[in-house]
Amino acid sequence: RKEVEQDPGPFNVPEGATVAFNCTYSNSASQSFFWYRQDCRKEPKLLMSVYSSGNEDGRFTAQLNRASQYISLLIRDSKLSDSATYLCVVWDPGFQKLVFGTGTRLLVSP
Amino acid sequence: DVKVTQSSRYLVKRTGEKVFLECVQDMDHENMFWYRQDPGLGLRLIYFSYDVKMKEKGDIPEGYSVSREKKERFSLILESASTNQTSMYLCASSLPGQGFGSGANVLTFGAGSRLTVL
Repeated sequence: RKEVEQDPGPFNVPEGATVAFNCTYSNSASQSFFWYRQDCRKEPKLLMSVYSSGNEDGRFTAQLNRASQYISLLIRDSKLSDSATYLCVVWDPGFQKLVFGTGTRLLVSP
Repeated sequence: DVKVTQSSRYLVKRTGEKVFLECVQDMDHENMFWYRQDPGLGLRLIYFSYDVKMKEKGDIPEGYSVSREKKERFSLILESASTNQTSMYLCASSLPGQGFGSGANVLTFGAGSRLTVL
């Protein structure tokens, strides 16, 4: 089992739609969790950290479910500019390193 | 804003050439990292450094070496480039420590260096 797994997509949604991605992680001792956004041929950029209680930043909501070992990202009212690959990143305390998922691709169409 | 600058955006090299990829950050971050990114494989850690003159192997260090003579600069070296090292190389930096909420483990990436080895 991969340490961090994501559905590669692509998720094709129309503008204004709500879309959600999940990411599962294998190490139950994992602590910090993040979502990064990567545009085509650009570097990854931090979108948001994921807190235990869940957190929201505008149209974006991140949730952590420790019991089932997954994090989620919900995007409301999708914009064309949300088209990107979303990377799930987990801090693995055992290996003392960040582990990246391979990303979920989102395509928002007019 | 933290800036991480990678010296070359695109390089084309021949098999057997020595390749230097330079990375400079301007926010006094202790931690610096080199990743490569390949389709379907995601980001894989090559080497990292938590201090000047310190280096640690990541998941795929074979065929690579690094140098960190100054805090702001972290160089990746391919001693003898091979075609399987054709990839996107990403440098990143972060604050020290591992405590959640302290800003640790939040990576700022450079724009990447796309290397093609013929």
